[in-house]
Amino acid sequence: AQSVTQPDIHITVSEGASLELRCNYSYGATPYLFWYVQSPGQGLQLLLKYFSGDTLVQGIKGFEAEFKRSQSSFNLRKPSVHWSDAAEYFCAVASTSGTYKYIFGTGTRLKVLA
Amino acid sequence: DAGITQSPRHKVTETGTPVTLRCHQTENHRYMYWYRQDPGHGLRLIHYSYGVKDTDKGEVSDGYSVSRSKTEDFLLTLESATSSQTSVYFCATRDEKLFFGSGTQLSVL
Repeated sequence: AQSVTQPDIHITVSEGASLELRCNYSYGATPYLFWYVQSPGQGLQLLLKYFSGDTLVQGIKGFEAEFKRSQSSFNLRKPSVHWSDAAEYFCAVASTSGTYKYIFGTGTRLKVLA
Repeated sequence: DAGITQSPRHKVTETGTPVTLRCHQTENHRYMYWYRQDPGHGLRLIHYSYGVKDTDKGEVSDGYSVSRSKTEDFLLTLESATSSQTSVYFCATRDEKLFFGSGTQLSVL
């Protein structure tokens, strides 16, 4: 069965510092992988996605993620965090079987210190 | 977003009553999903559909049923609402990515 683990419930970083949010997944093959962000009171916005190919994926707002098959991980990174990045971040996996079942992690809430 | 309308936007109901939430899309997307969002649990998949009359269970399907009789509508029914079903419910459709509705805030008293 598909599952997603985001081990960090809360992360606090200073503005300008680098960021890495962790995501591990369980799936029988290589799934489709996604990162979404949700600002307070807002809907979910897609940051980036991985389907196949280059394991380093670039997204919007300066985010990138790296797929590591050996570690079943898809960690999100940003070299310099801005105060506006404070939000909740969700990793998601989708099955590749044709039913496209999307499972989300429990989320990581990011706080940015000025 | 992507022409997804959820109704109602807010609902308060009593324990034991049936409740139906509606998701309507105008994009002709084949795949549709119902999630619930609760603090500390993220988004949990309730049911999803990969075509008209083709539905399957998600992670937390107990106490919920769905129907999809036409492409544009995906109904979620709480057969007998319980307080544990108080949540924000999101509908989503899929093209190359998921598009989410604005959510339904459901309170079961």
